[in-house]
Amino acid sequence: SYVLTQPPSVSVAPGKTARITCGGNNIGTKSVHWYQHKPGQAPVMVIYSNSDRPSGIPERFSGSNSGNPATLIISRVEVGDEADYYCQVWERGSDHPLFGGGTKLTVL
Amino acid sequence: EVQLVESGGGLVQPGKSLRVSCAVSGFAVTTYSMNWVRQAPGKGLEWVSVVHAGGGTHYADSVRGRFTISRDSSKNTVDLQMNSLRVDDTAVYYCARSSGWDSFWFDPWGQGTLVTVSS
Repeated sequence: SYVLTQPPSVSVAPGKTARITCGGNNIGTKSVHWYQHKPGQAPVMVIYSNSDRPSGIPERFSGSNSGNPATLIISRVEVGDEADYYCQVWERGSDHPLFGGGTKLTVL
Repeated sequence: EVQLVESGGGLVQPGKSLRVSCAVSGFAVTTYSMNWVRQAPGKGLEWVSVVHAGGGTHYADSVRGRFTISRDSSKNTVDLQMNSLRVDDTAVYYCARSSGWDSFWFDPWGQGTLVTVSS
């Protein structure tokens, strides 16, 4: 079965750039979506369809998927960006979606 | 404003049943696919079930045969009936709308309701 692989943790200093990866077989042929999840809060979609940003999400959040892995990029990281981040795929024709294991972003 | 509000969580013994509900405002539940996604303590997100706009349903292997998803268009709610509950069903259960065309994403999500299965 298909598996999405994320690093358990990523650490970055404030103001720097964080890159969170999502690996999977031929992932470049799929659309990857990304969510930010803070403790006690509802998950929030920050990127859909590899690189599109929902309204209300800062331009500091971007995504790419030109091959393995897909990547969520957070520029000029702020303390408030500290959260768990999940990648997700669900292609037409598949009866269920798949989440990556999640990456805990720590802002040092 | 689009809003999803879950309710019905609580403490239940193994083998018993519980029904959680998602009250939706801002759109009709019959016009989008609606999902339940859960997060066990210390674990990641796990998709549980979907009811599509057309009425079709699908389930994760871990809950198939025990859980049933349904919707009530008159109340604009989506429910998850959970039977034969197990300790490993303990989780926060989130309601989420899915959208897309060739690929589907979840937006928005509710705040979640905690289900604890324990004797």
